[in-house]
Amino acid sequence: DIQMTQSPSTLSASVGDRVTITCRASQSINGRLAWYQQKPGKAPNLLIYKASSLESGVPSRFSGSGSGTEFTLTISSLQPDDFATYYCQQYNSYSITFGQGTRLEIK
Amino acid sequence: EVQLVESGGGLVQPGGSLRLSCGASGFTFSDHYMDWVRQAPGKGLEWVGRIRIKANGYTTEYAASVKGRFTISRDDSKNSLYLQMNSLETEDTAVYYCARTRSYSPNDYWGQGTLVTVSS
Repeated sequence: DIQMTQSPSTLSASVGDRVTITCRASQSINGRLAWYQQKPGKAPNLLIYKASSLESGVPSRFSGSGSGTEFTLTISSLQPDDFATYYCQQYNSYSITFGQGTRLEIK
Repeated sequence: EVQLVESGGGLVQPGGSLRLSCGASGFTFSDHYMDWVRQAPGKGLEWVGRIRIKANGYTTEYAASVKGRFTISRDDSKNSLYLQMNSLETEDTAVYYCARTRSYSPNDYWGQGTLVTVSS
């Protein structure tokens, strides 16, 4: 299986900050990388697909980049609603895998 | 509006069985692959498995952790997805989500989840 490694596991930041989360794949995934936001007690919500495409309805402060095995999710100016847990997901192989998650908390 | 609604969760003893259902509406269910994804309490997301569409022979894929114990099926006439879970272990305790997808695509819609607790 393709292993997905996210960093950091926890990130403390303030409203208005620019933050970046990194996801590394154990092998090339042909850009088939998604990012999800999950709030407590809720299902994950798709933010980014194909590494850098913004899902409809997602605010433009969210952006994704990367290729090969290294990918990043950037939030340009944190809003109170953004404090949540973020997961990357590769969907290149028959066996889908997620990163372990990054908890974004208020500093 | 796309909606996915899971049901069938509950408390089951180790070694027991349970069948989860996922009802779909608001889209052409038969055109979409469907996944099951689970999340143990306080833990991350784990993909459980997938079922493809009729054109792909309704083929299935499973995570190694559930292969041979879990079976995914679908009934396109009822817009429903199923997860038959046998030989349940305490490690299977989780919220189980159904999620829509396509070939080489992410999960764009998710249900609200149903909790399965495996405990004696």
